[in-house]
This record gives sequence, C-alpha cells and structure tokens, in this order.
Amino acid sequence: LAKTTQPISMDSYEGQEVNITCSHNNIATNDYITWYQQFPSQGPRFIIQGYKTKVTNEVASLFIPADRKSSTLSLPRVSLSDTAVYYCLGDTGGFKTIFGAGTRLFVKA
Amino acid sequence: AAGVIQSPRHLIKEKRETATLKCYPIPRHDTVYWYQQGPGQDPQFLISFYEKMQSDKGSIPDRFSAQQFSDYHSELNMSSLELGDSALYFCASSLTSGGSTDTQYFGPGTRLTVL
Repeated sequence: LAKTTQPISMDSYEGQEVNITCSHNNIATNDYITWYQQFPSQGPRFIIQGYKTKVTNEVASLFIPADRKSSTLSLPRVSLSDTAVYYCLGDTGGFKTIFGAGTRLFVKA
Repeated sequence: AAGVIQSPRHLIKEKRETATLKCYPIPRHDTVYWYQQGPGQDPQFLISFYEKMQSDKGSIPDRFSAQQFSDYHSELNMSSLELGDSALYFCASSLTSGGSTDTQYFGPGTRLTVL
C-alpha cells in the first residue's frame, strides 16, 4: 500500500487559497490519489480523486505531477467552515484503506 | 440521496460487556468497511466485506468479529469490552469496480463509551 506523508497542521485566513501537499513516493502504477475531509465527530467525506495532471471539481483542485510521487490539494478562498482534517490516500481500490496522519487545517477570521 | 446508516449513534457499556454495531450501506453498494477512531487519532481500518465475504482485515482485535448479511448490512460484534475500546466507529460503503477508483461513503459513526 502506498504510504503517504502530509504536514501535521496548517493555519490560514479566510479568503486565502490553501495548498496541502502529500508525498507518496512508492505509489503503484495503477493507484489513484484520493483526498478526504473530516470534521470533528463526523465520518470522512470524499473531496476529490485523481490519477495524474489536474482535476478540478466544485470544491477543490488536485495537482499531480508527472512522476506522481506527490500531489497537492488546493482549496480556493477558504472559509471558517473549511477548518477540518484533510487526508491523502493512495491505493483505495482494494479492500484495505489506510488513513495516515492527516493535515489539520485551521482557518482563522 | 441515501447515505450510510449506522445504529446506534451512541452506546454506553461496562467493561467486559458485549456490543453490537450495525451498518446499512448505500443501496446497491456491495462493499462495507469498518474503522475505529480513538480521541484525537486518525481512522484505523478494522475489516471489510465484499459481496458478503470478508475481503480484508486490519488491526481488528480477536475480541471483535463482523459479518455482512444477505441484505448487505453489516454488524460489528465486540466482546469483553475494554476501556480502550471507547472510540468512534465508522462504517463506510462503496460500489466496487475492481479498479483503484472506488470512493468510500462514510456513515455518521457510532460513539462507544466503555465505563
């Protein structure tokens, strides 16, 4: 399974763009990168998924370079409600999903 | 849209008692996952089922067992409860495509408190 490494925490202000980078050096050729968001006492929620280059949806963008050894989740113009833990996962196609240590994002007013 | 349902939402048990947590996946989803999340910790994978068969196992104690029934709902049975079992237990479901793109949809969780 692909091991992922993310910053433990990040601080931002409302209205700023936040970029969270995840390292996954041993990602397998057919693995996708998936990001989840989790609020306190709630289940993780799918944000975005990609394989390479750039993926964008109504919530975020995901940038994956050609070597796929890292990925960057970009949250445009964050608000207080984006304060949460963000998890980067590699290899979620199987039946065993490993959540590493996520990034605790704190958005300040 | 229908979501994953978990019951009960809160459960209080004494040490050495047993507990049963239930999970009802999104209709037509064929895979169920169970996770344990202790206070301030990240979700830990326990076990998963695909088409009613155990598909993978994580750090699930021998005191715990689980199964998926013919209607695809799943139950996590926990015996000889210990204080350290106090946690949020999440169930997630997905529609398995056989590739690497299966998105898991999580339920609201069951908060288990062992006294």
